[in-house]
Parts: sequence; C-alpha cells; structure tokens
Amino acid sequence: DAKTTQPPSMDCAEGRAANLPCNHSTISGNEYVYWYRQIHSQGPQYIIHGLKNNETNEMASLIITEDRKSSTLILPHATLRDTAVYYCIVSLRGTGNQFYFGTGTSLTVIP
Amino acid sequence: EAGVAQSPRYKIIEKRQSVAFWCNPISGHATLYWYQQILGQGPKLLIQFQNNGVVDDSQLPKDRFSAERLKGVDSTLKIQPAKLEDSAVYLCASSLMGPTSNQPQHFGDGTRLSIL
Repeated sequence: DAKTTQPPSMDCAEGRAANLPCNHSTISGNEYVYWYRQIHSQGPQYIIHGLKNNETNEMASLIITEDRKSSTLILPHATLRDTAVYYCIVSLRGTGNQFYFGTGTSLTVIP
Repeated sequence: EAGVAQSPRYKIIEKRQSVAFWCNPISGHATLYWYQQILGQGPKLLIQFQNNGVVDDSQLPKDRFSAERLKGVDSTLKIQPAKLEDSAVYLCASSLMGPTSNQPQHFGDGTRLSIL
C-alpha cells in the first residue's frame, strides 16, 4: 500500500473552510483514497473516499489531483466539533481494504 | 442503522493476566477487523475476517493474541498472557462487502486496555 504524508497539525477559524492536504506520491492506479477522523475517546469515523474524480458528501469534499499523487479534504464550514485527528489512507482494492493509518493531522478549530 | 458495538469500554488488568474483548459488527457486514491503537499513534491492523475465515493475521502476535469469529457474526479477541506493551485501545471495524470491494470500514469506539 502507498504511504501517505500529512502535516502533523493545523488550525482553522470557526466558520471558515478547513483544507487538509495529503501526499500519496507512490499511489498505484487501483488504490482508493479514504479519509477518516478520530475525535478523542472515539473510534475513527469514515468521512469520504474516492479514486480519481472529486467527491462530495454531506460532511466534506475530496479533491484528488489529476496525477493522483495528492489530495485535499475540505470541510466547507468548520465548527468546533470538527476538532479531531484526520487520517488520509490509501488502500488497494482487492486486498480486503487493509488500511494502514499514519499519525494523521490534528485539526484544531478555533472559536 | 446500529453501529459497531464493542465491550467492555474499559479494562484494567495486571501483567500476565488474560483478557477478552467482544465485537458485534454492523448487521450484514461480512468483513470484520481488529486494530490496536497505541497512544499517539494511528490504528494498526491485527487481524481481518471474511465471514468466519481469517483473511490476514500477519500482524497478530500469535504467541499471546488469538481471535475468532464463530458463525461469521460476533468476534472475540483474547490476550493471554498480557504484557505491559499491550496497553492500548483495541478497535473493531466492519465493512459491507468482501475483499474486492471499496466499501469503507466502520469502527466501534474501542476497548481501552490498561496493564498494571
């Protein structure tokens, strides 16, 4: 599985968009990009995933570059409840979605 | 829909004792995973089941850890005997489809294990 690189921490003002970057320069053609977040004392929560095209759901948007070597998770209007550790994961379809978590980005939303 | 259920929520034992964790996945989810999350780190996969068969247990310390998923639904993870370095949160996850799917995994809130 491709490894990912994320900044260890970020701040975002409440109500503003939070843009969380992820580099996955060794991603292969059939690997998906998944985003999860983990709030203290809870299990990881699924946010969104994609292969090539940009994706949007009720929680966030996922922008994947054309060469697929990086992606950005966008929380359009961050709230205090979005304060969490965000994990970017790439997973090879066909191996049972074995997820290799890194240390993620600790996002702090500031009032 | 109900999420992944895990129990107990917390467990404190002394080293060399044994402990077991229980997981009930989301109804209909064929694939079940156990992860270990040490403080300050991301979760690490221990074992993956497809129905009641093991798909991958390459990261499971088999000298002390064991897991089973009888009848392809609930699962238990056991540690015997426990070591100090086993202090961690043990997370269970499940996903809808099999190994060729891109369906996401859904996690429970885990069992926090402390070894004294």
